[in-house]
Amino acid sequence: QEQLQESGPGLVKPSGTLSLTCVVSGGSISSSNWWSWIRQPPGKGLEWIGEIYHSGSTNYNPSLKSRVTISVDKSKNQFSLKLSSVTAADTAIYYCARISSISLVRGVIDYWGQGTLVTVSS
Amino acid sequence: DIQMTQSPSTLSASVGDRVTITCRASQSISSWLAWYQQKPGKAPKLLIYKASTLESGVPSRFSGSGSGTEFTLTISSLQPDDFATYYCQQYNSYSWTFGQGTKVEIK
Repeated sequence: QEQLQESGPGLVKPSGTLSLTCVVSGGSISSSNWWSWIRQPPGKGLEWIGEIYHSGSTNYNPSLKSRVTISVDKSKNQFSLKLSSVTAADTAIYYCARISSISLVRGVIDYWGQGTLVTVSS
Repeated sequence: DIQMTQSPSTLSASVGDRVTITCRASQSISSWLAWYQQKPGKAPKLLIYKASTLESGVPSRFSGSGSGTEFTLTISSLQPDDFATYYCQQYNSYSWTFGQGTKVEIK
C-alpha cells in the first residue's frame, strides 16, 4: 500500500516561496499514476493546486499557475511543490496525493499524505 | 471553473438514520464525480468515484447516484464512525473543483 509523506517549513514569510516535498513509499513514482498537490485553509474547503507525471508533464490550477511549480525527482521517488510570492491567503494544510489510474478519466484521488500546515506570517 | 455546490452545509442526524447529501455542478460533468469523507485532523478518504462506484473497502451503506449536474451521496444507516465532513469533487475538466463540504453531526 502506497504511503505519501509531506515535509517542509511550517512557517514562510510573506512574499517568500513555499517549498514542500512529498516522498512516496510502497510504490514507484514512475508508475502509471499522476501525482498531485491539494490544499485546505484551516476550517475551509479543498483546493486543487496541480499535478505531475513522472515524465515531468504538469497541469496547474489557473488561479495559481503564475506562482506554482511542481517538479519530480525519480531518483528519490518524490515530487515537490513551490509556490512563490505567498501571502496570508496561502496559509493552509498542504496535502500531496496520488491520482488513481483505475478511472477512465483522470482525477480521482485515492491516496493522500497526512498533510502539513504551512503558515504565512512575518 | 466548474462550481460545485453541496447541500446542506450541516446535517444533524442520529445513529441509524438514512442520510442524503446533494451536490450540484454549475454545468454538466457527466458521471465524473467523486465523494470523500474527512475527519478532523485527517486527510480526506475516497468513498465513491464515477458518481456511483464504491471504492474498495468502503462499507456498502454508502452509495452514490446522479449524472449531469445533480448528484447524491446516501448513507443508508448512519454509524458512529460516519460523523465527519463529506466533499464532492468533479474531475470532468480542469481545474478539478470541490464542493464546500457537508458536516454530518450527531443529533
